[in-house]
Amino acid sequence: NAGVTQTPKFQVLKTGQSMTLQCAQDMNHNSMYWYRQDPGMGLRLIYYSASEGTTDKGEVPNGYNVSRLNKREFSLRLESAAPSQTSVYFCASSEFQTGTKYEQYFGPGTRLTVT
Amino acid sequence: GQQLNQSPQSMFIQEGEDVSMNCTSSSIFNTWLWYKQDPGEGPVLLIALYKAGELTSNGRLTAQFGITRKDSFLNISASIPSDVGIYFCAGRDNTNAGKSTFGDGTTLTVKP
Repeated sequence: NAGVTQTPKFQVLKTGQSMTLQCAQDMNHNSMYWYRQDPGMGLRLIYYSASEGTTDKGEVPNGYNVSRLNKREFSLRLESAAPSQTSVYFCASSEFQTGTKYEQYFGPGTRLTVT
Repeated sequence: GQQLNQSPQSMFIQEGEDVSMNCTSSSIFNTWLWYKQDPGEGPVLLIALYKAGELTSNGRLTAQFGITRKDSFLNISASIPSDVGIYFCAGRDNTNAGKSTFGDGTTLTVKP
């Protein structure tokens, strides 16, 4: 079991370039999430997918798009990168069902720098 | 949106000392979670709390879900050097499809 995997681990982009961050989980979880973490701050939710086929905006969705490709994979796309998007990006997954217990598992992160 | 206030922001302690950190919220949560993040890694879940008043231990770690459902604390007893890292609290309510709101973290440094 690899858990949650993310690629790439590091990326440097120039302003205006686009890229897609990949995330996959092998725990058969229904829900997946993308967060960003800026220095000295907690994680802020960008987008989430409660189940396959659905996606919703989180706290800071501007400048991002997501695709829930299948139950395993959830990608995050930056169409036109900006320096303000320099951050560490974490993908997470959980077996969420309303009213039940759940645990959220995180990937190792993608460190993105936009110059 | 919901906000969590986590304190202290950082702690510098001697090995063997006990540590306490807490989170407060202006909103009610149904679940409180505590994570630890090591440098260059993603957060790892330490303790999950699902009921107001619940007190749960995981080895040297103890966490409590406040009676008002607006706060939680985490204690670490007899700290060791590998306790170094950033500790995050997170709160979740049942209306948010599993989304969690995170505190800004407590950075713990343990001096041998």
